[in-house]
Amino acid sequence: RKEVEQDPGPFNVPEGATVAFNCTYSNSASQSFFWYRQDCRKEPKLLMSVYSSGNEDGRFTAQLNRASQYISLLIRDSKLSDSATYLCVVNGADSSYKLIFGSGTRLLVRP
Amino acid sequence: GAVVSQHPSWVICKSGTSVKIECRSLDFQATTMFWYRQFPKQSLMLMATSNEGSKATYEQGVEKDKFLINHASLTLSTLTVTSAHPEDSSFYICSASPSGVSTDTQYFGPGTRLTVL
Repeated sequence: RKEVEQDPGPFNVPEGATVAFNCTYSNSASQSFFWYRQDCRKEPKLLMSVYSSGNEDGRFTAQLNRASQYISLLIRDSKLSDSATYLCVVNGADSSYKLIFGSGTRLLVRP
Repeated sequence: GAVVSQHPSWVICKSGTSVKIECRSLDFQATTMFWYRQFPKQSLMLMATSNEGSKATYEQGVEKDKFLINHASLTLSTLTVTSAHPEDSSFYICSASPSGVSTDTQYFGPGTRLTVL
């Protein structure tokens, strides 16, 4: 089983749509959770950290369910510029400094 | 702030040659830097953790004699792919964690695309 699992997609949605991505992680001892965005042939960029109480940043909302070891990202009012691959990332439970990346969910926002 | 650069951004080399990739933190000091590799349509995989002034820590399955890491200063880490082969062709990305901050805070370089012929 992969340490971080994501649906690879692609999710193909029209502009203005709301889209949700899910992620599961295998190690219950992980403590830090993130969503990164990666554009084609570019480096990943931090989109937002994910906190236990859930958090929102503009059109983006992240949720964490520790009991189910499940993380979600909701994007409202999708823009063309949101087209990218979204990476779910957790820190390694054995060594907190390691980041474990999911393979990403690809989002395509069409006009 | 928190800019990380990598050089070169891409490189094409012949099989059997060695390639050095530099990773620099431009506006902060980084005690710890990380080297990742990403194959097409796959996730970033941590290769090694580079600590300034000490030996790198390699992940399981990564050959330390093939991927030489040097972190001689608080702003520079280098990865040398020795005797490169076509299967080493990949996207190599470094990240740097500012000194004094939790190392799950990492700033990524723009990556180096290596193609070995």
